[in-house]
Amino acid sequence: GAVVSQHPSWVICKSGTSVKIECRSLDFQATTMFWYRQFPKQSLMLMATSNEGSKATYEQGVEKDKFLINHASLTLSTLTVTSAHPEDSSFYICSARDRTSASYNEQFFGPGTRLTVL
Amino acid sequence: AQRVTQPEKLLSVFKGAPVELKCNYSYSGSPELFWYVQYSRQRLQLLLRHISRESIKGFTADLNKGETSFHLKKPFAQEEDSAMYYCALGSGGYNKLIFGAGTRLAVHP
Repeated sequence: GAVVSQHPSWVICKSGTSVKIECRSLDFQATTMFWYRQFPKQSLMLMATSNEGSKATYEQGVEKDKFLINHASLTLSTLTVTSAHPEDSSFYICSARDRTSASYNEQFFGPGTRLTVL
Repeated sequence: AQRVTQPEKLLSVFKGAPVELKCNYSYSGSPELFWYVQYSRQRLQLLLRHISRESIKGFTADLNKGETSFHLKKPFAQEEDSAMYYCALGSGGYNKLIFGAGTRLAVHP
């Protein structure tokens, strides 16, 4: 089956620093990847849609200058949390859509990255 | 507005009992619906999609357009079914998935 990896699985950083999270599709090409945020015991909140070779589309209320997304290849998207603050601490999950999938909407999820900002 | 509603935060049953996790949606177009499951400390994984009309791990879900529902059912719950279940709506041209709040299923021995 389609596998999505994320790196790192967890990261602790100081307030004011930037953190980069990678999302890779390991055995398929993903023209579209998605970044979600999940708070404890809550559902996934879509932050942005990342399209290979073009600018990301951000959901309402998500600061694009704070959460920089780059989708430079068909297998890699990165999320950079710039000038991180404690309120950015969360679980960040990426997903990818297989361009060959019969389902237009099916997504495959990464294991998530736990970010803690001190 | 596109919305997915899972009215129950927690569903607690005994092993062998039937299970129904409710999901209602609001969508003006032709919906594509999914059930995702998240076991403890594991990633979100696809359980069912309505277009496949399949049964996975004994679970089934039927799309009822009249009632705008996509309830997940299993006749006999097992302890290993304990997990978070999310209903999701595929929003067509935007490729986005809209998730419900999730229902935690707890199956007791």
